[in-house]
Amino acid sequence: KQEVTQIPAALSVPEGENLVLNCSFTDSAIYNLQWFRQDPGKGLTSLLLIQSSQREQTSGRLNASLDKSSGRSTLYIAASQPGDSATYLCAARVNAGNMLTFGGGTRLMVKP
Amino acid sequence: EPEVTQTPSHQVTQMGQEVILRCVPISNHLYFYWYRQILGQKVEFLVSFYNNEISEKSEIFDDQFSVERPDGSNFTLKIRSTKLEDSAMYFCASSVALLAGELFFGEGSRLTVL
Repeated sequence: KQEVTQIPAALSVPEGENLVLNCSFTDSAIYNLQWFRQDPGKGLTSLLLIQSSQREQTSGRLNASLDKSSGRSTLYIAASQPGDSATYLCAARVNAGNMLTFGGGTRLMVKP
Repeated sequence: EPEVTQTPSHQVTQMGQEVILRCVPISNHLYFYWYRQILGQKVEFLVSFYNNEISEKSEIFDDQFSVERPDGSNFTLKIRSTKLEDSAMYFCASSVALLAGELFFGEGSRLTVL
């Protein structure tokens, strides 16, 4: 059974700092991995999707990497802004399955 | 930009009552999903739906739950007889493709069972 873990659970940084959020998964036979942003009481906004054949994906100040062999993905946020404050979730899709398995999220606070 | 819409945003119901949560997926998407998030816990998969039938469901999705696509645009989740532990945020999602597809989620429907 796939387990997804995100460390740290919470992170507070000053504005402008570059930061890395970590996601680990136990079953390396994933089909893809998706990163989401969740604002308090709101839905999930898709940030990046990495297919198993890819090493990384970039969108603006965000860069996500995937290392299947070590069971890890990272989300790099460059030049963080207060508007980046939210919970960031990663979710892995196992081969031949429909379901995404979610991590518990990292709650990010960027202080002005 | 196309989005998944869900109604109601919040519903309060008494234990034992039936609840229907509604979703309008993105129009050209073919795969539909329901997930839920109990307060303070991880987002959990409930069910996926394609071509008018359930393609996969989790252990959570027992006989009290059902899904339906009653017309060309709506996708519904019915909870037949709600329990206190059904209180959660319920998210609808859709994707164009199955395995390679990016999932797009709605804003959620918060269900409170009293």
